[in-house]
Amino acid sequence: AQKVTQAQTEISVVEKEDVTLDCVYETRDTTYYLFWYKQPPSGELVFLIRRNSFDEQNEISGRYSWNFQKSTSSFNFTITASQVVDSAVYFCALRLYDKVIFGPGTSLSVIP
Amino acid sequence: NAGVTQTPKFRVLKTGQSMTLLCAQDMNHEYMYWYRQDPGMGLRLIHYSVGEGTTAKGEVPDGYNVSRLKKQNFLLGLESAAPSQTSVYFCASSRTAPPTYEQYFGPGTRLTVT
Repeated sequence: AQKVTQAQTEISVVEKEDVTLDCVYETRDTTYYLFWYKQPPSGELVFLIRRNSFDEQNEISGRYSWNFQKSTSSFNFTITASQVVDSAVYFCALRLYDKVIFGPGTSLSVIP
Repeated sequence: NAGVTQTPKFRVLKTGQSMTLLCAQDMNHEYMYWYRQDPGMGLRLIHYSVGEGTTAKGEVPDGYNVSRLKKQNFLLGLESAAPSQTSVYFCASSRTAPPTYEQYFGPGTRLTVT
């Protein structure tokens, strides 16, 4: 069975703190893709990053970084020096060919 | 280039009424999806399509029907609306093959069934 778990339902941090959002996935397929999406209070879903199962290289983009570890089936997302604009719901997703499975999301609140 | 658009943005239905949600994309994507989003449950896949004229069931298909008569459009129908179908509905599209495999989402339709 395929599944995506985001154990943190809600996180609250003070501005400028670092925060890590956890994502654990389950699949027996050897080829798959992982994604992070952001849903700000306005409601739209915004693509942040993709990673395929053959590429375990971590990635940094500005204040955002992603850590993909196949050994623990995790694809965690870290925001460095958080800002109020980072307040949103963040979804991790697993893609297997046609099907895309989303986690339940983590609601991040950054307090000024 | 509008991306993915959804019509309408808001709708209120009475129990038993029917309606159709329209999704359109101008990116020439083969794959299209309908999701519903409920508090604390993330996005759940209702139906999807891998190409014009094809549809398939997702995780929560009951009470919904879909059609993909044209590549750029994906319609979601509710034949007899129920209060349990109150939700925010998102349409998405994506390319067929990796690596740029991510989904592009529409702005959502907020549906209330009373």
